[in-house]
Amino acid sequence: EDKVVQSPLSLVVHEGDTVTLNCSYEVTNFRSLLWYKQEKKAPTFLFMLTSSGIEKKSGRLSSILDKKELFSILNITATQTGDSAVYLCAVFSGGYNKLIFGAGTRLAVHP
Amino acid sequence: ETGVTQSPTHLIKTRGQQVTLRCSSQSGHNTVSWYQQALGQGPQFIFQYYREEENGRGNFPPRFSGLQFPNYSSELNVNALELDDSALYLCASSGERADTQYFGPGTRLTVL
Repeated sequence: EDKVVQSPLSLVVHEGDTVTLNCSYEVTNFRSLLWYKQEKKAPTFLFMLTSSGIEKKSGRLSSILDKKELFSILNITATQTGDSAVYLCAVFSGGYNKLIFGAGTRLAVHP
Repeated sequence: ETGVTQSPTHLIKTRGQQVTLRCSSQSGHNTVSWYQQALGQGPQFIFQYYREEENGRGNFPPRFSGLQFPNYSSELNVNALELDDSALYLCASSGERADTQYFGPGTRLTVL
């Protein structure tokens, strides 16, 4: 059965800390891995990764995919209170045209 | 803002009732996917519509059904509501790349 597992499930840090969020997967017909940030309702798109070893960066956020070991990490440096959210990892299964989500990591950044 | 809109924002129903949720896709997108997100969990895939045809379905019973219209907007219908149907229902639209999905703000359904 296809599955996406995120760790940790929750994390509490202070402003300025660096955090690493983990995502491992076992999905047939892997096409891509996506990271989303969910603050209240709508998940907002952060990154899409398709190739191993190529880091995607956007400001203080970066992500990398390892297709051999079947995992991805999302790094956030110099965290701010505005980074507080649930971070969702999803894998797109091309055979079924669907995103398979993990349970998310709830990040709380305290001043 | 993704350009994907959903209505209504919130809805309260009782067990056994029926509900219709609506989604307007982003301009230029011809694919709509629906997800159910229970509290504290990740979204679960319900089904996808591409050019008015169902194009994939998750592990949801037949009382979950949908439609896509010629303008690519979509409806999710749920019959015989159960308490466990209480969740946030998200729709996502995509264009040429089916994996790049942009989500709407969701409809929070409460079943009493």
